[in-house]
Amino acid sequence: DGGITQSPKYLFRKEGQNVTLSCEQNLNHDAMYWYRQDPGQGLRLIYYSQIVNDFQKGDIAEGYSVSREKKESFPLTVTSAQKNPTAFYLCASTLTGTEEDTQYFGPGTRLTVL
Amino acid sequence: AQKVTQAQTEISVVEKEDVTLDCVYETRDTTYYLFWYKQPPSGELVFLIRRNSFDEQNEISGRYSWNFQKSTSSFNFTITASQVVDSAVYFCALRGDSSYKLIFGSGTRLLVRP
Repeated sequence: DGGITQSPKYLFRKEGQNVTLSCEQNLNHDAMYWYRQDPGQGLRLIYYSQIVNDFQKGDIAEGYSVSREKKESFPLTVTSAQKNPTAFYLCASTLTGTEEDTQYFGPGTRLTVL
Repeated sequence: AQKVTQAQTEISVVEKEDVTLDCVYETRDTTYYLFWYKQPPSGELVFLIRRNSFDEQNEISGRYSWNFQKSTSSFNFTITASQVVDSAVYFCALRGDSSYKLIFGSGTRLLVRP
């Protein structure tokens, strides 16, 4: 089945630790995105990537890093520099250059800093 | 600047009632795209509809219907004969043709009571 997978579903981290969230898609989509969602709020863009080996900062990139070495994968690292990392993280992907540019989302990872 | 406003933070209805979720947007792009997503308690965002700015036809899909009015910059979503399974947070989103970014509203939490 085609889709977007994120792992793990729940993640607990101690303060001062880096942690990496996985996002994989087998939809052959070009672009991938990372969003952060805080309780009762909408989604805010962290990073996005239109093609392999290229990515751009979104609105709240500080304290996060990404890589895009493969088309299918766009991992997000939450570093110790992120002051308030507890949140729900959603990955999305889309085709580009076509009319079908709808972003489709993965199931999310809920990160809690202890 | 682009902005999406969902003024209704939370709506509670009794099953079988009709309910309308409001969405007002701002953009300077002449071509833009509007979206609605559903976020059930599981957390994953489920795509519901995409509408181009040059297509003002209203759309109906089963119990769901959407009313797009450029004159008032609104893209409202109506659920007819609501069901308990409709309980979720609903997000309206906007992408202008000049950007890859999807701008989300803050969401409307819909509670359908039996």
